[in-house]
Amino acid sequence: DAKTTQPPSMDCAEGRAANLPCNHSTISGNEYVYWYRQIHSQGPQYIIHGLKNNETNEMASLIITEDRKSSTLILPHATLRDTAVYYCIVRVGTANAGGTSYGKLTFGQGTILTVHP
Amino acid sequence: DAGITQSPRHKVTETGTPVTLRCHQTENHRYMYWYRQDPGHGLRLIHYSYGVKDTDKGEVSDGYSVSRSKTEDFLLTLESATSSQTSVYFCAISGSGATDTQYFGPGTRLTVL
Repeated sequence: DAKTTQPPSMDCAEGRAANLPCNHSTISGNEYVYWYRQIHSQGPQYIIHGLKNNETNEMASLIITEDRKSSTLILPHATLRDTAVYYCIVRVGTANAGGTSYGKLTFGQGTILTVHP
Repeated sequence: DAGITQSPRHKVTETGTPVTLRCHQTENHRYMYWYRQDPGHGLRLIHYSYGVKDTDKGEVSDGYSVSRSKTEDFLLTLESATSSQTSVYFCAISGSGATDTQYFGPGTRLTVL
C-alpha cells in the first residue's frame, strides 16, 4: 500500500473550514484514499473515501488532485467536537491463500486537528 | 454508527493468565478484524476473519489466537498474557470486497500487570 504524509498538527477556529492535506505520491491506480478520525479514547471513525473524483457526504468533502498524488479533507464548518486525530490512508484489496480478499488498512501517525473557540 | 460492541471495555489481568476479548456485530458483515493500538505504532492488524471458521494472521499475530464460530462473534484470545500485550484493542467489520469500508468498535483497554 502507498505511504501517506500528513502534517503532524493543525489548528482551526470554530466555525471556519478545516482543510487537512495528505500526500500520497506513490499511489497506484487501484488504490482508494480513505479518511478516518479518532477522538480521544474512541474507536476510529470513518469519514469519507474516494478513488478519482471529488466526494462529499454529510461529514466532509474530499478533494483529490487530478494526478491523484495528493488530497485534501475539508470539514466545512469545524466545531469543537471535530478535535481529533485525522488519518489519511490509501488502500487496496489483498488476496489471501484462500482466494478471498480483504482491504488492509495501514494507519500512520495522522494529523492532530485542534479546533479552538 | 455500525452495530459493533466489544466486551469487556476494560480489563486488568496478571501476567500468565488467559484472556478472551469479544467482538459482537449486528450488521451481518462477512469480514471482522482485530487491531491493537499503542503509542508510536498506530493501529496494527492482529488477525482477521473472512467468514465463519475462516481466519488469517495479520502483522502482529504472535501470542494471539482467534475464533469465529458465528457470523456475529469474533473472539481474540491471549493464551498467556504478557506485559507487552498491554494495549487498546479495536475490533472492526466490513462487508465484502476489497473496497468495503471498515467500521470500528469502541475498543477494549487491556492492562497486563
